[in-house]
Amino acid sequence: GAVVSQHPSRVICKSGTSVKIECRSLDFQATTMFWYRQFPKQSLMLMATSNEGSKATYEQGVEKDKFLINHASLTLSTLTVTSAHPEDSSFYICSALRGNTGELFFGEGSRLTVL
Amino acid sequence: DQQVKQNSPSLSVQEGRISILNCDYTNSMFDYFLWYKKYPAEGPTFLISISSIKDKNEDGRFTVFLNKSAKHLSLHIVPSQPGDSAVYFCAASENSGNTPLVFGKGTRLSVIA
Repeated sequence: GAVVSQHPSRVICKSGTSVKIECRSLDFQATTMFWYRQFPKQSLMLMATSNEGSKATYEQGVEKDKFLINHASLTLSTLTVTSAHPEDSSFYICSALRGNTGELFFGEGSRLTVL
Repeated sequence: DQQVKQNSPSLSVQEGRISILNCDYTNSMFDYFLWYKKYPAEGPTFLISISSIKDKNEDGRFTVFLNKSAKHLSLHIVPSQPGDSAVYFCAASENSGNTPLVFGKGTRLSVIA
């Protein structure tokens, strides 16, 4: 079946640094990818919708200058957490929409810990 | 190997009837389960959740049942409405939600007026 891969799966960084997380659709083209944040014991929060070749659409309350999303190709979207702070520590999960079938596939998640 | 399985890719139900969506899991460490609803071209939205200390959770027309011994959960929608037509994803995690959610592949529900 279709696979969506996230890298890195775990990352620890110092406060004030930037971290990039990649989301790849391994065997299909994804014109649309979604980025979520998962807080402990809570459901996913949709952060933004990433469309290939255009600017991402951010949900209300999500700072687009802090969470930079780039969807440069049909198989790769990246989320960069800029000037990370401890409160940014979380799981970040992506999903990719297979254009020709409308199926949605989820990545395994990336755990960010900001010290 | 898939840890969360939704074996029915699609389901059609008459308006007003009950919709039952099923989900099976293999990881006995899962203790927190959620259902998400997704409309075309949108991201999934949270619907309802259940912790493994319960076997039922109800929210309006939506009820989730958990059978831990069978590693099975189901989402009941009563009565079904045309606006419920969407793809429903089952998700699970360990440690009371403190690990990344693992998703099933989804079931497309069509409610026919």
